[in-house]
Amino acid sequence: GNSVTQMEGPVTLSEEAFLTINCTYTATGYPSLFWYVQYPGEGLQLLLKATKADDKGSNKGFEATYRKETTSFHLEKGSVQVSDSAVYFCALSDLVYGNKLVFGAGTILRVKS
Amino acid sequence: NAGVTQTPKFQVLKTGQSMTLQCAQDMNHEYMSWYRQDPGMGLRLIHYSVGAGITDQGEVPNGYNVSRSTTEDFPLRLLSAAPSQTSVYFCASSSARDTQYFGPGTRLTVL
Repeated sequence: GNSVTQMEGPVTLSEEAFLTINCTYTATGYPSLFWYVQYPGEGLQLLLKATKADDKGSNKGFEATYRKETTSFHLEKGSVQVSDSAVYFCALSDLVYGNKLVFGAGTILRVKS
Repeated sequence: NAGVTQTPKFQVLKTGQSMTLQCAQDMNHEYMSWYRQDPGMGLRLIHYSVGAGITDQGEVPNGYNVSRSTTEDFPLRLLSAAPSQTSVYFCASSSARDTQYFGPGTRLTVL
């Protein structure tokens, strides 16, 4: 079945450091890929998405490229801020029926000033 | 436009009690889903619906019931709560093959 694997955390960085959170997936067909972010005490918000191979999703300085050859969708940001501290979830959507999402376990990011 | 709303925000139950978690959306989305979030496991799909009157099971459906009588509402029922159902529950909605929008969550503790 479909699955998502993302790097374990927590990831602790200093402000202005470069961020990479790895995400790989297993899926049949051609799923859409997503990064969601969860700030403390809140629900999930869509950060970015990509719907086909070689698409690059971007938002708020974050980027991720849909790599079909390596089945990856790594999240990157050139310079993190304290306000980026949150839990980041990689997910894929099963579009065969019902638009179901399959999530990775989540990666906690802590940015210190 | 409130998006996806969930009630209550917090709930404590005793083992064996029943309750209903409410979810409503005002975006006229046909797809609605329930997920549970547990530490180290991400979110897992409990049940989902592709339209009024149509529901199906997700990855972890045992102990939960759903129904969808209107486009707007998708309640989740716990018939006999167990400690293993202690979790944070999220409802989500989307239009066909589009981004899912999540509610703020319900934190449930079963003693």
